[in-house]
Amino acid sequence: DAKTTQPTSMDCAEGRAANLPCNHSTISGNEYVYWYRQIHSQGPQYIIHGLKNNETNEMASLIITEDRKSSTLILPHATLRDTAVYYCIVRVASGNNRLAFGKGNQVVVIP
Amino acid sequence: DTEVTQTPKHLVMGMTNKKSLKCEQHMGHRAMYWYKQKAKKPPELMFVYSYEKLSINESVPSRFSPECPNSSLLNLHLHALQPEDSALYLCASSHLGAGTNTGELFFGEGSRLTVL
Repeated sequence: DAKTTQPTSMDCAEGRAANLPCNHSTISGNEYVYWYRQIHSQGPQYIIHGLKNNETNEMASLIITEDRKSSTLILPHATLRDTAVYYCIVRVASGNNRLAFGKGNQVVVIP
Repeated sequence: DTEVTQTPKHLVMGMTNKKSLKCEQHMGHRAMYWYKQKAKKPPELMFVYSYEKLSINESVPSRFSPECPNSSLLNLHLHALQPEDSALYLCASSHLGAGTNTGELFFGEGSRLTVL
């Protein structure tokens, strides 16, 4: 699976959109971009995934660049409950099902 | 039911004890996973079961012994552990097969293990 690069940490203002970047310059054509988050003392939670088109669900939006070498997760209206470690992962959707977490981005939403 | 249930939530054991962690899901998922997470580190994959058969073992020491008795249950048997094995153990499940497999894993809340 391709490696990803994320900021180690970032602060976001409550009520504002939070834009979380991820670089994955070695992504392969059949690899998806997945986002998970882990709130303190809880298990990781799936947020969204995409291949090349932008995706939106009730939690977030995922914007993938045309060359697929980077993406941005957007939390439209950040709340204090969004404080978590956010993981950007690239992998094939099927196959060996190995989901490997990188170091993640510690996002703190500030009142 | 979209839950993965792990028991116990907390476990304290000595180095000579034998204990087990349990995981259960009723979402019809045929892939189940064990991850280990140390404090302030990302989860690390330990084992993957596909259709109740062990498909991935990430070179985990034999003092950790996984078991998948049926498609809903996953156990992790613990024996002769070391203090450095103290960690949060996470179970996850997912679909398998084309058409149903989006690659999304559902995680439990974890079992926090302390080895004395």
